[in-house]
Amino acid sequence: NAGVMQNPRHLVRRRGQEARLRCSPMKGHSHVYWYRQLPEEGLKFMVYLQKENIIDESGMPKERFSAEFPKEGPSILRIQQVVRGDSAAYFCASSPRQANTNTGELFFGEGSRLTVL
Amino acid sequence: EDKVVQSPLSLVVHEGDTVTLNCSYEVTNFRSLLWYKQEKKAPTFLFMLTSSGIEKKSGRLSSILDKKELFSILNITATQTGDSAVYLCAFLTGNQFYFGTGTSLTVIP
Repeated sequence: NAGVMQNPRHLVRRRGQEARLRCSPMKGHSHVYWYRQLPEEGLKFMVYLQKENIIDESGMPKERFSAEFPKEGPSILRIQQVVRGDSAAYFCASSPRQANTNTGELFFGEGSRLTVL
Repeated sequence: EDKVVQSPLSLVVHEGDTVTLNCSYEVTNFRSLLWYKQEKKAPTFLFMLTSSGIEKKSGRLSSILDKKELFSILNITATQTGDSAVYLCAFLTGNQFYFGTGTSLTVIP
């Protein structure tokens, strides 16, 4: 049973380009969370998605950032017109149940490290 | 505003020492508190706590939650160099898991 898979593991972009980060949750998990981690900082919640639905995007910047979790395929975090401040590690986590009834753990991927030149 | 504060921010100890990491929180609609270990990669799950006063143990690690005073502690006894990592606490409220900034533990041989 493969864990949460994220790709690419490392991504380098120039300012103004687009970054697409992918996350395949664990088998049987239909809930996905995206977190951003800056150096020396904790994990900051960005967005919580269920298949084909955005449940909570309160942590997502209003501009340039978007996320989706289609019926088929991985969840995608998309950052348009990247700036240097977007350089960070982006972690995806999945769970088998809805957060507000789930007191269990999150399963994390190994992260995608975005560097903006 | 919901928040979680971990202390100390960093800690350096010698092998064999015992350490206590603290996590205090102020949240509405608290559901559970979780501890994770992060060693430069994906955070890995350690404990989930939902009830006060019930200690969870796993080998040399143990944790307890105090819902009245709003804090949790993570104890590591007889530390080893492999315990060096950032320890994150998180709480579940509503739809979100909120993470603290972590305690960086370094164990010196």
